[in-house]
Amino acid sequence: GAVVSQHPSRVICKSGTSVKIECRSLDFQATTMFWYRQFPKQSLMLMATSNEGSKATYEQGVEKDKFLINHASLTLSTLTVTSAHPEDSSFYICSARAGDREAFFGQGTRLTVV
Amino acid sequence: AQSVTQLDSQVPVFEEAPVELRCNYSSSVSVYLFWYVQYPNQGLQLLLKYLSGSTLVKGINGFEAEFNKSQTSFHLRKPSVHISDTAEYFCAVSERSGTYKYIFGTGTRLKVLA
Repeated sequence: GAVVSQHPSRVICKSGTSVKIECRSLDFQATTMFWYRQFPKQSLMLMATSNEGSKATYEQGVEKDKFLINHASLTLSTLTVTSAHPEDSSFYICSARAGDREAFFGQGTRLTVV
Repeated sequence: AQSVTQLDSQVPVFEEAPVELRCNYSSSVSVYLFWYVQYPNQGLQLLLKYLSGSTLVKGINGFEAEFNKSQTSFHLRKPSVHISDTAEYFCAVSERSGTYKYIFGTGTRLKVLA
């Protein structure tokens, strides 16, 4: 299957700083990328959907100014958690999709805000 | 809108016994159906998918699932489980058009006992 690379796999940051997470589709062009958040022992909650070259569509309740998503190319999307706080600590997972093919998932990023 | 229900939050089963993980969905449009497995602190791995055609779908690691349109179900089965199958399993649906975003169930923790 296709490969989606997510980086970093783990990050620890201080409260008030910003953190950027990258999601790359390595061997296909992703017309759509998705960002999910997963709390311990819970399911994946869709945060936003981004299409290359256009603004991301955020799910209800997700602060767009706090979780900045950029999908600058067909192989790269970034999620920036701005002014991070301990409650933002979570497991973030991206996925990438080409047209109506199934989505492929990154390995996730464990964010810890101290 | 779509929704996915995984009624069993945890399923304990002895090694080499059969297992069924239940998934029911609700949707006003046609959907694709998926099962993913997640090991601790990792992303999601696709087990199998139903896009069209035969309602019995075979996946990796000996898993299979059957799409039942009348019952709106997509239960996952394995005839004989191994200790290594212990993980979290997620059922997901995706629109066949539009944003193609995934909606996940709450997950089922499969615990294989020796």
